[in-house]
Amino acid sequence: KNEVEQSPQNLTAQEGEFITINCSYSVGISALHWLQQHPGGGIVSLFMLSSGKKKHGRLIATINIQEKHSSLHITASHPRDSAVYICAVARQGGGADGLTFGKGTHLIIQP
Amino acid sequence: DGGITQSPKYLFRKEGQNVTLSCEQNLNHDAMYWYRQDPGQGLRLIYYSQIVNDFQKGDIAEGYSVSREKKESFPLTVTSAQKNPTAFYLCASSLKRRNILYGYTFGSGTRLTVV
Repeated sequence: KNEVEQSPQNLTAQEGEFITINCSYSVGISALHWLQQHPGGGIVSLFMLSSGKKKHGRLIATINIQEKHSSLHITASHPRDSAVYICAVARQGGGADGLTFGKGTHLIIQP
Repeated sequence: DGGITQSPKYLFRKEGQNVTLSCEQNLNHDAMYWYRQDPGQGLRLIYYSQIVNDFQKGDIAEGYSVSREKKESFPLTVTSAQKNPTAFYLCASSLKRRNILYGYTFGSGTRLTVV
């Protein structure tokens, strides 16, 4: 079983819809990251969370440490939000060997 | 602007040849990482380095080698011993303070194809 599980694997929605992507993990963590990967391949860091909730523009990320679960929400979705969204965790103790990644959620927003 | 530069973006290699992927950062980050991405799989760690002249194997180090002679540079060599080298390779870096990783930054990746 993977240490980081994301759902759904694929999501197609209409422009304007509210989007939720879920991430569950099975290890103790010091932080959780949400990343965005566009078709060209480069990855951009969206959020780093260790508790609570963060908001940046139309993106909102939440984490529940007790339930080992995080969600990424996109409000008023737009075709330019189409990308792969990746959840990654830094293991407790600093995770000196970097992050452990989920397989990603492939999001397509249709006009 | 600070960031990570990976080169080249696309690379073709003949079977049996070694090839080196470049990764340079000007963020003054302590730690650097190499990941491999295959379709339908999460990123997997190949090697990482926390300080100059030191590096550690990740989950899939076989067939790869690295060096960290300078803080800014962490090149990855894909050797002929790597059985399935065709993949997308990503370099990343981060700060490490009090055992927490900060400022995780990724390069734009190199797509390697063995022909």
